[in-house]
Amino acid sequence: AQSVAQPEDQVNVAEGNPLTVKCTYSVSGNPYLFWYVQYPNRGLQFLLKYITGDNLVKGSYGFEAEFNKSQTSFHLKKPSALVSDSALYFCAVRDIFPNNAGNMLTFGGGTRLMVKP
Amino acid sequence: DSGVTQTPKHLITATGQRVTLRCSPRSGDLSVYWYQQSLDQGLQFLIQYYNGEERAKGNILERFSAQQFPDLHSELNLSSLELGDSALYFCASSPITSTSGGTGELFFGEGSRLTVL
Repeated sequence: AQSVAQPEDQVNVAEGNPLTVKCTYSVSGNPYLFWYVQYPNRGLQFLLKYITGDNLVKGSYGFEAEFNKSQTSFHLKKPSALVSDSALYFCAVRDIFPNNAGNMLTFGGGTRLMVKP
Repeated sequence: DSGVTQTPKHLITATGQRVTLRCSPRSGDLSVYWYQQSLDQGLQFLIQYYNGEERAKGNILERFSAQQFPDLHSELNLSSLELGDSALYFCASSPITSTSGGTGELFFGEGSRLTVL
């Protein structure tokens, strides 16, 4: 089975500073990787995905992620953090069931991002 | 707004009871997924349906069951409820299920928060 790990439970950053939220993956074959954000009492919102091609993927709200095959990482980044970016961030990998029966996303444990004014 | 609708948003019930959570997927999406989000277990995949058929099962308890109807809405039934079933239950949808097409991102509803007292 595919898996992702988010090594940090929480990341603190000052507004205006660059932010990085880390994710490492373990997959067989080519990974399909995703980032989602969850605001308080809301559902998960899709931010971006890596399927193939450019290692730097651009997504919503100014976020981007860098795919690094040698380090099996897919870190989420933003050049300048906003207080409104404070939320719970999830990395995910697509997992496919045997015989193509179905597929799902397997999520990491989540990282809480706190951006302070 | 993801286009996925879940009802009810909040539900409080007692141990031993049975509840039904409802999900309407995005227009045109054939696949519906159910996830459970709890503090200690993170986001856990429960079950996937595609065009009315069960396709994949995750860590879904025998006390839980789901179905997808001809109009593509889905219901998750939780019975003999225990305190530990208190969680946020998410429904998500995607347009396809096969590995030969699509890129696998899911679109999540706002969730149904279940509290078992």
